[in-house]
Amino acid sequence: DQQVKQNSPSLSVQEGRISILNCDYTNSMFDYFLWYKKYPAEGPTFLISISSIKDKNEDGRFTVFLNKSAKHLSLHIVPSQPGDSAVYFCAAGYNNNDMRFGAGTRLTVKP
Amino acid sequence: DGGITQSPKYLFRKEGQNVTLSCEQNLNHDAMYWYRQDPGQGLRLIYYSQIVNDFQKGDIAEGYSVSREKKESFPLTVTSAQKNPTAFYLCASTLNGGSYNEQFFGPGTRLTVL
Repeated sequence: DQQVKQNSPSLSVQEGRISILNCDYTNSMFDYFLWYKKYPAEGPTFLISISSIKDKNEDGRFTVFLNKSAKHLSLHIVPSQPGDSAVYFCAAGYNNNDMRFGAGTRLTVKP
Repeated sequence: DGGITQSPKYLFRKEGQNVTLSCEQNLNHDAMYWYRQDPGQGLRLIYYSQIVNDFQKGDIAEGYSVSREKKESFPLTVTSAQKNPTAFYLCASTLNGGSYNEQFFGPGTRLTVL
């Protein structure tokens, strides 16, 4: 039962352009969402989060948007850089329960 | 430096053998987690522990066992009962349990059953 879905396994963008990574969830109880970034042979690292009381959170080049009615969140990276090439996981949770992770999207930023 | 270490990085095991994956953290975090990652799937929770000497099963605990005798350590044993153990295993920790804390991950252990 995949409660968090990242339907695009991969995404390729040109350096300097916008990268948009998408994530959908099914559990309406989720009220906290995180994005993690993972380089090969390393564990994921936290990137940015958003709680359900907001619809946008920004940190430098990274912005996460949350659409609760659509049960959809997205991560925007502007401008994209080659060093952003990695696998991005979205995760969701609520209360004291476990986080649920998506399958990840591999982003490739071409110079 | 504070962080989470996992060892070994690569592990090979023959069918029918138990194997233990190490996870140590010096972040003074209360909660620790074990995930399994398979191609095309998200991280799936195997076991988690929110406090020393206590742990709970995650979604896919069958064939695995854990212990939490020390705050810093949360070893995972993959037993011969695990039908498909070949995977990438990630250990993580949070300051305290719950969904509102970012998780800090170790570098992972890739287990291959021969």
